[in-house]
Amino acid sequence: DTAVSQTPKYLVTQMGNDKSIKCEQNLGHDTMYWYKQDSKKFLKIMFSYNNKELIINETVPNRFSPKSPDKAHLNLHINSLELGDSAVYFCASSQGVTGEGKTQYFGPGTRLLVL
Amino acid sequence: AQKVTQAQTEISVVEKEDVTLDCVYETRDTTYYLFWYKQPPSGELVFLIRRNSFDEQNEISGRYSWNFQKSTSSFNFTITASQVVDSAVYFCALSEVYAGNMLTFGGGTRLMVKP
Repeated sequence: DTAVSQTPKYLVTQMGNDKSIKCEQNLGHDTMYWYKQDSKKFLKIMFSYNNKELIINETVPNRFSPKSPDKAHLNLHINSLELGDSAVYFCASSQGVTGEGKTQYFGPGTRLLVL
Repeated sequence: AQKVTQAQTEISVVEKEDVTLDCVYETRDTTYYLFWYKQPPSGELVFLIRRNSFDEQNEISGRYSWNFQKSTSSFNFTITASQVVDSAVYFCALSEVYAGNMLTFGGGTRLMVKP
């Protein structure tokens, strides 16, 4: 019954590897997001997709590539992982994107550690 | 550009004390939305409240209350009779109408409630 789910929950990998994080929501929302939370707990938007279309891309290195196969899924692929990519990545979803400050509901987070 | 400041990085109280978490924001928009999220030690982000800029009524939900003051650009959160389970990091966030529903988060306040 989880509303927004992410897999995996933990990811430990070596520098230079490529990895993916998956996100799925069963809330019927049409907008999904990726946020990064660094070691100091600071949360920052990375991407947003509305109806499978990219609408926010916040100066994230192009090693990060989001993919939205449908409205319920937003995956994050990271190429050539670097130490600085170690963080917790949160997926979120909302219904709608403009006009009314739609509430975003967050997944449990994926803790990525790059060694 | 929008900005959210949570000046208190850490607060420690003893159970049953009341505690107020401060949030100050900056925006050039007249229409915007403010949110509070809770991040317990387990790591997930839990939505607590959403407020729009035209509604300055204070809100109470059980032991939680929120005070929105447009004149001082503040949206403070008070927990009455705190409990150990309230221990968490609390985030204030801002969403502007024309920013694609992107959330700008404050740095968070870590609340520790001791028995």
